[in-house]
Amino acid sequence: QITLKESGPTLVKPTQTLTLTCAFSGFSLSSTGRGVGWIRQPPGEALEWLAVIYWDDDERYSPSLKSRLTITKDTSKNQVVLAMTNMDPVDTATYYCGHLWFGGTFDSWGQGALVTVSS
Amino acid sequence: DIQMTQSPSSLSASVGDRVTITCRASQGIRNDLGWYQQKPGRAPKRLIYAASSLQSGVPSRFGGSGSGTEFTLTISSLQPEDFATYYCLQHNSYPWTFGQGTRVEI
Repeated sequence: QITLKESGPTLVKPTQTLTLTCAFSGFSLSSTGRGVGWIRQPPGEALEWLAVIYWDDDERYSPSLKSRLTITKDTSKNQVVLAMTNMDPVDTATYYCGHLWFGGTFDSWGQGALVTVSS
Repeated sequence: DIQMTQSPSSLSASVGDRVTITCRASQGIRNDLGWYQQKPGRAPKRLIYAASSLQSGVPSRFGGSGSGTEFTLTISSLQPEDFATYYCLQHNSYPWTFGQGTRVEI
């Protein structure tokens, strides 16, 4: 059974860097075809894809946020980390991580982590 | 970027109704599309992958069809637990893009 869980600060100040961790179990990110990605959802709004990292270290980012995002993996700890710089109140959202197989969409999701950006 | 236009944005339906939700892609995406259900305060749940394949454990009243630019999610007989918001997601090319969502309410 695949499980994922997001963790990180619930409140960040404008201009700060947000660091979120996705801890997962039930698979290894060193196995061929596996990937973990991030998606966010502002309150009352639609889902937005942010980034994905694959077993082979391939990284893909949303072009609109690419300059602010970094996704990394630690296969020994079964974790994926997303860093987002220069946070702004418009970045207030629930951030989800999800598992996927290469060539497919997210089949398992974490519960989500609400991050509020406010001074 | 590929734009996913989802319609309607909301609909009212009754238990037992047949419901159809559509996603239109701004360019062809083969069958690289998934459908998700999201209930308030919960993470999305995948219902359909590869446009028409039913996710394991999902009731058979959910069905997906389409290829290229036109895709449909159908709920054959709406149940009380199906009142939720539904999203499509294309993964044909980066950046992956979601539809704007369809809220299904009573």
